[in-house]
Amino acid sequence: GENVEQHPSTLSVQEGDSAVIKCTYSDSASNYFPWYKQELGKGPQLIIDIRSNVGEKKDQRIAVTLNKTAKHFSLHITETQPEDSAVYFCAAGVPGNKLTFGGGTRVLVKP
Amino acid sequence: EAGVAQSPRYKIIEKRQSVAFWCNPISGHATLYWYQQILGQGPKLLIQFQNNGVVDDSQLPKDRFSAERLKGVDSTLKIQPAKLEDSAVYLCASSLAARVVNIQYFGAGTRLSVL
Repeated sequence: GENVEQHPSTLSVQEGDSAVIKCTYSDSASNYFPWYKQELGKGPQLIIDIRSNVGEKKDQRIAVTLNKTAKHFSLHITETQPEDSAVYFCAAGVPGNKLTFGGGTRVLVKP
Repeated sequence: EAGVAQSPRYKIIEKRQSVAFWCNPISGHATLYWYQQILGQGPKLLIQFQNNGVVDDSQLPKDRFSAERLKGVDSTLKIQPAKLEDSAVYLCASSLAARVVNIQYFGAGTRLSVL
């Protein structure tokens, strides 16, 4: 089955700096790569996603890149703000809509 | 639009007891998922329903876990008997039909503590 590795497990950045989280996946059939943000006591919320026919997608301060050949995808958050502090999860999805999640990255934005 | 509703939010039981969780998906969403999220880990899929049929339950510990979605809307997940290692957050998610990849929307989860 699919295996998704996520790094780093924790990330501390100064407010205004950029944050980058990287994931790798194993199943070449995966064609959908969402990123979720989870705040304490809440369920994961989708922040951005990318499909396998696209190499990059941007939404305001958030961008995701995908390298299908290398089976890598990354989340980039620019101009970080304290409200960006949360746990972020990457996932890889296959046809049939099954998602496999990475282990998560705890991001702390220091004022 | 109302989101995915789950209840209860918290549950504390002793090992070997039974427990049930309830989920109401977003209206019109044919696909429903139950995930287990152990502290410090990503969600792990337990079972996926398409309407009232099971699509994938390969990671559901069937000797103690069961789930149903009788009318293709609400769903319940049951654990009987519970073990200490079942302590986790149980997340329900829903999406449009799973013929193509669709966004999964998550509920707030039920936090289970087994003592």
